[in-house]
Amino acid sequence: DSGVTQTPKHLITATGQRVTLRCSPRSGDLSVYWYQQSLDQGLQFLIQYYNGEERAKGNILERFSAQQFPDLHSELNLSSLELGDSALYFCASSKGGTGVNTEAFFGQGTRLTVV
Amino acid sequence: AQKVTQAQTEISVVEKEDVTLDCVYETRDTTYYLFWYKQPPSGELVFLIRRNSFDEQNEISGRYSWNFQKSTSSFNFTITASQVVDSAVYFCALSEAVEGGSYIPTFGRGTSLIVHP
Repeated sequence: DSGVTQTPKHLITATGQRVTLRCSPRSGDLSVYWYQQSLDQGLQFLIQYYNGEERAKGNILERFSAQQFPDLHSELNLSSLELGDSALYFCASSKGGTGVNTEAFFGQGTRLTVV
Repeated sequence: AQKVTQAQTEISVVEKEDVTLDCVYETRDTTYYLFWYKQPPSGELVFLIRRNSFDEQNEISGRYSWNFQKSTSSFNFTITASQVVDSAVYFCALSEAVEGGSYIPTFGRGTSLIVHP
């Protein structure tokens, strides 16, 4: 058990809908990362938050947004969902956002299926 | 261009064989970090090891060993006496600084290891 908790584990929704994925980082970790894993794109970095602030952005679509709350949990919001958004979404956390403190531990992932 | 290349898409071995998973990375930074993760069929990503760019010492942990060579930009992973439970997808990742100073892990496409009994 990595100590990173993601909910829900599975999500099935229809095209055009909006969903929210939740992540609780390991105790003491300030940094949260979101990744998308699909068969064709592999593991793609979406966005990183550190202590409540956005720190780095990757290949995140404009339809997607995220935030990190004062208690350090994070949410990833996906809207106007398309079939191609079906993927495994991972949250990871690390102590910090720089250097040796970026050892990232991953949650179990949320499998999103858009029908 | 791929920053992390795992050229072996799938490797199939018989139990007790040794197997090496290759990882080649590309970076211009002098400070960076390399990782290996395991993704078993259940889907979670399990952290295995971190290596700093300034520490080329090889590491052994039980049946697992890692060979880091900066001269060839490689960070290979060897499993000795493989077992069926080693069957998984293994990912190599490179963490380097991006704009803003954060270090973000970039993953290779993974190598699927199948260990037959």
